[in-house]
Amino acid sequence: DTEVTQTPKHLVMGMTNKKSLKCEQHMGHRAMYWYKQKAKKPPELMFVYSYEKLSINESVPSRFSPECPNSSLLNLHLHALQPEDSALYLCASSQGRRPLRNSYNEQFFGPGTRLTVL
Amino acid sequence: AQSVTQLDSQVPVFEEAPVELRCNYSSSVSVYLFWYVQYPNQGLQLLLKYLSGSTLVKGINGFEAEFNKSQTSFHLRKPSVHISDTAEYFCAVTGRNRDDKIIFGKGTRLHILP
Repeated sequence: DTEVTQTPKHLVMGMTNKKSLKCEQHMGHRAMYWYKQKAKKPPELMFVYSYEKLSINESVPSRFSPECPNSSLLNLHLHALQPEDSALYLCASSQGRRPLRNSYNEQFFGPGTRLTVL
Repeated sequence: AQSVTQLDSQVPVFEEAPVELRCNYSSSVSVYLFWYVQYPNQGLQLLLKYLSGSTLVKGINGFEAEFNKSQTSFHLRKPSVHISDTAEYFCAVTGRNRDDKIIFGKGTRLHILP
């Protein structure tokens, strides 16, 4: 299984709602990532989890709250979002081990959740 | 720090014609280079990567790229495009440390004309 799955595919929420995005992989990867992608723009890194611990937070507003309950699952909890937070949210995973010389831990991307905040 | 410049935001090309998507990078250290493809309403898929060794890299779907260190370029080519190649293509770079992040270019939309 070389897939990263994300649910839901689409999400519409109001500014007062609380919702969660879910990401799952069964490749034994120990690093997982959240990216935000606005239309016609490249993905922007939000968070990185390494061995279930948060290792990078790219100064993301606290209305986005990541959680990594186990090595296969990554959640992104959403609360009090703004319309400008509407975007495609991509999850990715990689092996997470220190790469050998001249090797690279490829990131595998999920299909994304398209979020619309009204 | 690294940066990536994709010189064309859109490239229209006729079906079965060759195509080149341009990418230049900037870095003070050795890097790894990538091309990702994003089909409409989908996530990113790795097309090919340059880690070391041969400067001509072959990827999936008939694409290839050439690493040119002196020109700091990593242009993507395909000799004959198909309508199914319509997508957004992102050039990306990362440093060689484990924690280095992927830096994406702004993307080039490949538009195949019938």
